[in-house]
Formats: sequence, C-alpha cells, structure tokens
Amino acid sequence: GQQVMQIPQYQHVQEGEDFTTYCNSSTTLSNIQWYKQRPGGHPVFLIQLVKSGEVKKQKRLTFQFGEAKKNSSLHITATQTTDVGTYFCAEHSGGYQKVTFGTGTKLQVIP
Amino acid sequence: NAGVTQTPKFQVLKTGQSMTLQCAQDMNHNSMYWYRQDPGMGLRLIYYSASEGTTDKGEVPNGYNVSRLNKREFSLRLESAAPSQTSVYFCASSEGPYNEKLFFGSGTQLSVL
Repeated sequence: GQQVMQIPQYQHVQEGEDFTTYCNSSTTLSNIQWYKQRPGGHPVFLIQLVKSGEVKKQKRLTFQFGEAKKNSSLHITATQTTDVGTYFCAEHSGGYQKVTFGTGTKLQVIP
Repeated sequence: NAGVTQTPKFQVLKTGQSMTLQCAQDMNHNSMYWYRQDPGMGLRLIYYSASEGTTDKGEVPNGYNVSRLNKREFSLRLESAAPSQTSVYFCASSEGPYNEKLFFGSGTQLSVL
C-alpha cells in the first residue's frame, strides 16, 4: 500500500477562504514533492522540499516540510476559483528514482 | 517542444484483448514512469525505468509489462486486459538521477468491458 497519506480527501471552501492539505508518512521521507492536477488534466509539478523544517512560498501557496521529515503541508491563502483541482504530495525514494504519490486532496472553491 | 506524448488518448477493449500504450519524451530525460489513476486512489506506480535498459516494478505491476525501447520511449503492454484495469494511465519522465521533477503526458483513458 501507499506509504504517504493525505488529509482531507475532499475540501469545499468559499472563495477567499484559506485551505490546507496535509501529507503524513510513518517513515522518514527523503524529500517531498507537491503536484496540482486540474479537472480532466494531468499532474503538474509545483515544488520540492528537501530539508527538515523547510518552508517555501509561491505567491499565495506556502509549503512546509516537518522537522522530522515525516509530514508536509500545503496552505493556500485566500483561495480563488483557479485553485480548483486535486493536490498531491509525492515522495522520491532516495536513490531508486521512484516517485510515489499520496492519495490527493480534491479542492472545490465555491464562488 | 512537445514534452511527454502518450497515445492513444482513449481506448475501449474487451476482456482478454491486448494492447500497448505508447509514451515518448523529447526532453532527453533518463527516467520514465507509468502510473494509473483511479478515483480515491491517487496515482499508483505501475513500472518505472531509471535509465535506458533498466525497468523496475512499482506498486501495482501485475497484469502489465513494459519496454524501454530507447531513451525516448517507454511502452506499457496489457497482455490480457481485465475490467480491473479500467483506469486513466499517465506516463511521466524526469531528468534523474536525484532530479525527479516529473513531467506528465496528457493521459490515456482505458475502459475494459
């Protein structure tokens, strides 16, 4: 089964509200990646976090990697309808060049 | 620059039929991947190829075979399709090694009746 679990599975928010999705692992992660998939589309890479406690920002998106490298989060401030889609975290398994995805969080933004 | 190209985009098979999904990338990437996506299951890795000439099983390899034909191309074959293989299939590539930003193709929607 998948090592990386994401919560929540679904989230509906009013436009302008904030949104957070969490990625949790029972084992220490080498790094964590985040992808966005628009409805009917394919996943698109957003960011990669490597260091313990790392925080990166992309405009309204803030990505964090836990101190123990076992969890990560994606926070969107003041959601817009363009944020609609499914957000996936993914783990790159060290030197094996294998990328394993979490179950994803589907975000719906209500105008 | 097309990126990752998958064919076909849609396919309907009968149980027991065989078919090959084609994938090609023009970014000179070393690593290539096949994923399947089912509702509520996220993306599950079927097979991957870390470099030309090597292939390895992912999470759900049963019922599939792959061929890394050359550096550009990575095909996925269903020898005897089953209804449980109804899914959306994505091919992806990455520069590798240790640079695993994935670039995805547009996907193949496969229905097995």
